Amino acid sequence: AQSVAQPEDQVNVAEGNPLTVKCTYSVSGNPYLFWYVQYPNRGLQFLLKYITGDNLVKGSYGFEAEFNKSQTSFHLKKPSALVSDSALYFCAASSNTGKLIFGQGTTLQVKP
Amino acid sequence: DTGVSQNPRHKITKRGQNVTFRCDPISEHNRLYWYRQTLGQGPEFLTYFQNEAQLEKSRLLSDRFSAERPKGSFSTLEIQRTEQGDSAMYLCASSKYLTAPGELFFGEGSRLTVL
Repeated sequence: AQSVAQPEDQVNVAEGNPLTVKCTYSVSGNPYLFWYVQYPNRGLQFLLKYITGDNLVKGSYGFEAEFNKSQTSFHLKKPSALVSDSALYFCAASSNTGKLIFGQGTTLQVKP
Repeated sequence: DTGVSQNPRHKITKRGQNVTFRCDPISEHNRLYWYRQTLGQGPEFLTYFQNEAQLEKSRLLSDRFSAERPKGSFSTLEIQRTEQGDSAMYLCASSKYLTAPGELFFGEGSRLTVL
């Protein structure tokens, strides 16, 4: 069965510091991997995706993610966190059906 | 492009009543997905359509749940004989599926509270 795990319920980081939000996946075949962000009372917003090619994927708002096939990981990163980055982040994986399987989410708290 | 629209945004109902949610996807998107999200959890897949065909249904979708997309445009999700455990946010998403999965565009959701 396909699954996505986000091992941290919450990540705390100081503004200006780098941040990492972890994600591991279990998907049969070639994985398609995504990160979404959810702000309070807002819909899920797409950040970035990995389909194929370069293992480092760049996305919206300065976020990037690194695909590591051997570790089955797809960690979200940003070199310098902003207070406005505070939100709920979801990692998701898809097979070629297009259906997304989501992790349980990680709350990112960036403190001034 | 007005995005994915869901109505109603909030619905409070009594146990045993039927409720229906509507989703209007982005116009050129051929795929439409329904998810359910409870507090503190990631969205859980319920069902999806390609045009008007319902291609997959989750085991979460009991026989009290039915979804339609009659003309391949908007979709409805009906819950019959609601139970308190149905209280959740129901999310709709659409995508343009070509040769590989693309990103899903989500609506803001319909929150259901069953008393």
